[in-house]
Amino acid sequence: DADVTQTPRNRITKTGKRIMLECSQTKGHDRMYWYRQDPGLGLRLIYYSFDVKDINKGEISDGYSVSRQAQAKFSLSLESAIPNQTALYFCATSDFPADMEEDTQYFGPGTRLTVL
Amino acid sequence: AQKVTQAQTEISVVEKEDVTLDCVYETRDTTYYLFWYKQPPSGELVFLIRRNSFDEQNEISGRYSWNFQKSTSSFNFTITASQVVDSAVYFCALQETSGSRLTFGEGTQLTVNP
Repeated sequence: DADVTQTPRNRITKTGKRIMLECSQTKGHDRMYWYRQDPGLGLRLIYYSFDVKDINKGEISDGYSVSRQAQAKFSLSLESAIPNQTALYFCATSDFPADMEEDTQYFGPGTRLTVL
Repeated sequence: AQKVTQAQTEISVVEKEDVTLDCVYETRDTTYYLFWYKQPPSGELVFLIRRNSFDEQNEISGRYSWNFQKSTSSFNFTITASQVVDSAVYFCALQETSGSRLTFGEGTQLTVNP
């Protein structure tokens, strides 16, 4: 079974709809992240969480919100989807490192979201 | 602010050729980490390597090798005797000690033709 899972894997929705993307992990990691990938732009960080009570904005958080329901679950919401939020969304996890040596991020399979 | 540049948007080679993917980074931190990830056509991101800024030794793993040069702020990735299965988008990324976030380059699309 995959260590980091994302649901749904594909979603088509309409402008103005509320959408939730979910991420679950069985790696036991404390840290979780949401990125979006756009062609030619690489991946950009939306939000990240270092533990259940810690939520931080990334470089492109406008239009998004997150919820860390448990150590293993981190959800991304688009309250009112717009077409320029069409992208590939990735969840990632990493361990809490003693000295940064183990802070490698491992990614889920991605969710392809299309907003019409 | 940190930045990663992958100037090669697309590279096309014929199978068995060697190919080098370039990565140049900018950071003010003295301690930082560099990564390469592979994204095959199926879309997932696969971790390939992590290097810290104090270790400039070249790394070799099978047909893959990495050349880290602090003097030129580069962390280049070479695939020897490329194969069709190497076709993918490759991302270079930087992580500073001031935070756990990754800054990604734009990615290089590698196509290996039979």
